[in-house]
Amino acid sequence: GAGVSQSPSNKVTEKGKDVELRCDPISGHTALYWYRQRLGQGLEFLIYFQGNSAPDKSGLPSDRFSAERTGESVSTLTIQRTQQEDSAVYLCASSLDPEPNYGYTFGSGTRLTVV
Amino acid sequence: KQEVTQIPAALSVPEGENLVLNCSFTDSAIYNLQWFRQDPGKGLTSLLLIQSSQREQTSGRLNASLDKSSGRSTLYIAASQPGDSATYLCAVSGTYKYIFGTGTRLKVLA
Repeated sequence: GAGVSQSPSNKVTEKGKDVELRCDPISGHTALYWYRQRLGQGLEFLIYFQGNSAPDKSGLPSDRFSAERTGESVSTLTIQRTQQEDSAVYLCASSLDPEPNYGYTFGSGTRLTVV
Repeated sequence: KQEVTQIPAALSVPEGENLVLNCSFTDSAIYNLQWFRQDPGKGLTSLLLIQSSQREQTSGRLNASLDKSSGRSTLYIAASQPGDSATYLCAVSGTYKYIFGTGTRLKVLA
């Protein structure tokens, strides 16, 4: 597609429920990144995909968080048993190659609210 | 570990002023630096990308400079307008991922 697409744009969920966040990168972009931005905070790196593999998962905050990418395209970030501290905007970015010489293109994000 | 700092954290200026936003980073071994703009409740929009071999990039009223040896970048905005009001983020890349500063929240008053 023309840009990075994320869905849903907003999600309100009850504490303890599981949620899935979706990212559709720019066609042909091999690198895909997930970041989290809590209210008033900077962007925290979560995970990096090169193709379908995830060489760096170091930013995933706990084992409740997982992500996958299929077909070098769509990625899904899953949060199990959501907690209130998971409330944040989850941002996805893609890049043409893994060394970001072309820079990142970001989606509009998913605002997750855990009540 | 790379750390990125942006000063000031917030800035309010009258329309028409020229202004400078600052970004500093602790590890000079970077591939590139990218400046982004974030509007409230929105994602990030790329403004300028400076490769490590470059010293500056320009786009319209924006000019970004990079001094790797001193670990600094500046974003210069000429003739500021109310539409420039947003949070400005700088990000530096290592081998594959960006580390972000916490941003400068800019408000341009009409």
